[in-house]
Amino acid sequence: DAGITQSPRHKVTETGTPVTLRCHQTENHRYMYWYRQDPGHGLRLIHYSYGVKDTDKGEVSDGYSVSRSKTEDFLLTLESATSSQTSVYFCAISDTRGVDTGELFFGEGSRLTVL
Amino acid sequence: GENVEQHPSTLSVQEGDSAVIKCTYSDSASNYFPWYKQELGKRPQLIIDIRSNVGEKKDQRIAVTLNKTAKHFSLHITETQPEDSAVYFCAASAGNMLTFGGGTRLMVKP
Repeated sequence: DAGITQSPRHKVTETGTPVTLRCHQTENHRYMYWYRQDPGHGLRLIHYSYGVKDTDKGEVSDGYSVSRSKTEDFLLTLESATSSQTSVYFCAISDTRGVDTGELFFGEGSRLTVL
Repeated sequence: GENVEQHPSTLSVQEGDSAVIKCTYSDSASNYFPWYKQELGKRPQLIIDIRSNVGEKKDQRIAVTLNKTAKHFSLHITETQPEDSAVYFCAASAGNMLTFGGGTRLMVKP
């Protein structure tokens, strides 16, 4: 498996609290992604990064922000968590050629429950 | 943006039978179509992919076909085995963003 670790793996929080999920890679891949997985919706892209300090929005970015200050770390922040953000969050990385020419390698996922 | 529809959402087959999962996409600029398999409680993993300049690709018991004119592509699994039981996702990409279908839960009954 590619060297990707997500933390925390499980988190329960209350509505209105801030939450940060961390993705750490040891592969030196340029592209990093955050997806959320919900039943019936597959995997939906939240944000992605194509380099240090270079990020862009995906299809479901409202309520989320990201930061990438180092090649190896990509942080996803929920400024004020809502129950609709209860989900399983997957980080993914791909090689320097970009997603349309390479495989996505996923982390193990982070299960977030917002009460 | 791209929209990917996947059918069926669940599929039950007898061991040894074939399974077919179909996807349609909306963006004619999409040129890369991977398929991911996710076993229960695990991460999604790539099992096969196809690019727009190819109509069919095979890898042992799995094959993918692509019809660019109709904007649909399919996954075919032959001689299914219990270990094929999982959720399968199709996806399409026209650049740096990969859009996934809603997934198909395949159950192979022994």
